[in-house]
Amino acid sequence: DAGVTQSPTHLIKTRGQQVTLRCSPKSGHDTVSWYQQALGQGPQFIFQYYEEEERQRGNFPDRFSGHQFPNYSSELNVNALLLGDSALYLCASSLAQKIAGQGNTEAFFGQGTRLTVV
Amino acid sequence: RKEVEQDPGPFNVPEGATVAFNCTYSNSASQSFFWYRQDCRKEPKLLMSVYSSGNEDGRFTAQLNRASQYISLLIRDSKLSDSATYLCVVTYGGPFGNEKLTFGTGTRLTIIP
Repeated sequence: DAGVTQSPTHLIKTRGQQVTLRCSPKSGHDTVSWYQQALGQGPQFIFQYYEEEERQRGNFPDRFSGHQFPNYSSELNVNALLLGDSALYLCASSLAQKIAGQGNTEAFFGQGTRLTVV
Repeated sequence: RKEVEQDPGPFNVPEGATVAFNCTYSNSASQSFFWYRQDCRKEPKLLMSVYSSGNEDGRFTAQLNRASQYISLLIRDSKLSDSATYLCVVTYGGPFGNEKLTFGTGTRLTIIP
């Protein structure tokens, strides 16, 4: 089992450019969440995808968008990059909890993509 | 006020000592609680879930106090390999089942030989 894989591992972009990050979930998982982790901070929730739709969204501008494919893999797109977008971007996969209120199933994180905006 | 607050440390503790971390959360409707461990430049990994009744996993003990809205993690007989950042994580009840994880800033622990 390959676990959660993300690509690329490192990326350097210029202000104003656009970037696409990719995530393949752990085998058997159908839910993908994206998090941004700035240096010295905890991860911040960006959004979650399930059944190819954005189901939850954190406090991020609409420059941040995403997609989930039929094979459950996902992409995170960031437009008009700012210096403040420099961070570690983490993808987490899980198996959907079919019964609301029963608590989360375990989320597994990928190793992340370290984005530097210059 | 942050939703989840932790003392960022760093905690520098001699090998074999006992160390305790606390975390407070602001939303009384919080539903699930976890401790994650993150090694330097690596991804977070689930260390343990936290229950009101308290739970223990080897040298690690986690406790939840809903009335005071805090979560604790106790590490006994600390090892060099325990050096990491410990992240307190909370979820809130909602319609989705797998709710978003809300992380604290993390507490950095270094075990000294």
